[in-house]
Amino acid sequence: NAGVTQTPKFQVLKTGQSMTLQCAQDMNHNSMYWYRQDPGMGLRLIYYSASEGTTDKGEVPNGYNVSRLNKREFSLRLESAAPSQTSVYFCASPQPSGGNTIYFGEGSWLTVV
Amino acid sequence: ELKVEQNPLFLSMQEGKNYTIYCNYSTTSDRLYWYRQDPGKSLESLFVLLSNGAVKQEGRLMASLDTKARLSTLHITAAVHDLSATYFCAVGYTGNQFYFGTGTSLTVIP
Repeated sequence: NAGVTQTPKFQVLKTGQSMTLQCAQDMNHNSMYWYRQDPGMGLRLIYYSASEGTTDKGEVPNGYNVSRLNKREFSLRLESAAPSQTSVYFCASPQPSGGNTIYFGEGSWLTVV
Repeated sequence: ELKVEQNPLFLSMQEGKNYTIYCNYSTTSDRLYWYRQDPGKSLESLFVLLSNGAVKQEGRLMASLDTKARLSTLHITAAVHDLSATYFCAVGYTGNQFYFGTGTSLTVIP
């Protein structure tokens, strides 16, 4: 059982380039999330998807787009990367019941130069 | 505005000592989570607290929840080096939304 898998693990982009972070979960959960983690700021929600076919903005959505491709996959796209988007990105998915423990992917380290 | 505040942000403690990390949140919730993160790693679930007065313990860590005070604590007993990590609390809200605190970076010194 892989849980939450995200790729790539590391990426360096030039300002203005675009890229997509991929996330997949094999737990049959409805909800999926994208967070970014910056020093001293904890985790901030970028976008979330409560179910297949729906997406909603979180705290810091500017500069990002998402796609909930199917129940398993939730991708995060940076259309025109900026240095301010240098961060660690985590995909996550909570249990639908039983306390909603959140399962996290391994993280994607993104540097925009 | 939803706010989740942790303190302290940084904690350096000697092995064998006790200490408490605090998590305050601004809006009523009855779901509180504690996570541990090692450097360069993902977040690992420690505790899920689902009701007022809930207390859970695992080894040298004990978490509690007071929903009336909007406060959760993570108590560390007789710290050991292996507990060095960053600890996050997160609050759950309607619609399966979760808001995280800023984290407490704990260093246990031999």
